[in-house]
Amino acid sequence: KNQVEQSPQSLIILEGKNCTLQCNYTVSPFSNLRWYKQDTGRGPVSLTIMTFSENTKSNGRYTATLDADTKQSSLHITASQLSDSASYICVVIAAGGTSYGKLTFGQGTILTVHP
Amino acid sequence: DTEVTQTPKHLVMGMTNKKSLKCEQHMGHRAMYWYKQKAKKPPELMFVYSYEKLSINESVPSRFSPECPNSSLLNLHLHALQPEDSALYLCASSHPRTGQVHNEQFFGPGTRLTVL
Repeated sequence: KNQVEQSPQSLIILEGKNCTLQCNYTVSPFSNLRWYKQDTGRGPVSLTIMTFSENTKSNGRYTATLDADTKQSSLHITASQLSDSASYICVVIAAGGTSYGKLTFGQGTILTVHP
Repeated sequence: DTEVTQTPKHLVMGMTNKKSLKCEQHMGHRAMYWYKQKAKKPPELMFVYSYEKLSINESVPSRFSPECPNSSLLNLHLHALQPEDSALYLCASSHPRTGQVHNEQFFGPGTRLTVL
C-alpha cells in the first residue's frame, strides 16, 4: 500500500530560526514528490516538485531534498517568518496508471512560528 | 490567469437542503478534481474529471453529485447531507498529460461547508 509519513506532527520555532521537516514514503513506482504549504482554511500551494533524478531544489527560503534510494525527503526552511506558520504536506505521485496521477498525501506537519 | 477559484467561500446548510459548490479555472487544464478535507487531515480525493468526463469516483455517497458543464467549470451538487460531511471542499485542476512530472495540480482556496 502506498503511504507517506511525515514528522514531526507539529513544530514550534522562534522567528528567524531554521527548521527541517521530514517525509518518508513507500509509493512505488515513484514519479515525483511535492511539498505543499497550506494555510488554515485555504487550499494547498505547491512549494517544490522533485523527480527521481533531483537531489535538491530550492524555492526562496525553502529547500527540498530527495533521496530516492532511502525514499526520504526533507523540507528545510531558512530564517523562518511568522507567515511560515502553516501545515506542510508531502505528496508523492506514483508512475504509470492514469495520466493525471493520483496523489498520496502525508498527514502534514503543522509549523508554528512565534515572534 | 493561473488560479482556481471556488464559490462560495463558506456554506451552511441543513440536512434537507440542496446546494451546489462551484469551481472555475482558465488555465486550459483538462483534468479537474474534487477533494474533501477534514480538520488536521490531508485532502481525500472524491472525483476526477478528464476532458469533461468522469474518470474516477472514489466510492463517494450519491448525496454528492459532480458535474462538469465545460472544460473550465466543475460543480459539486449537494443533497441530503449529514453533519459528518462538514469539511473543507477543495477543487484542483491539472494538465492530464501522460508525463506526470509536469502534472502539477493547482488547488483552489476551498469552500468551508457546515451541515447542521
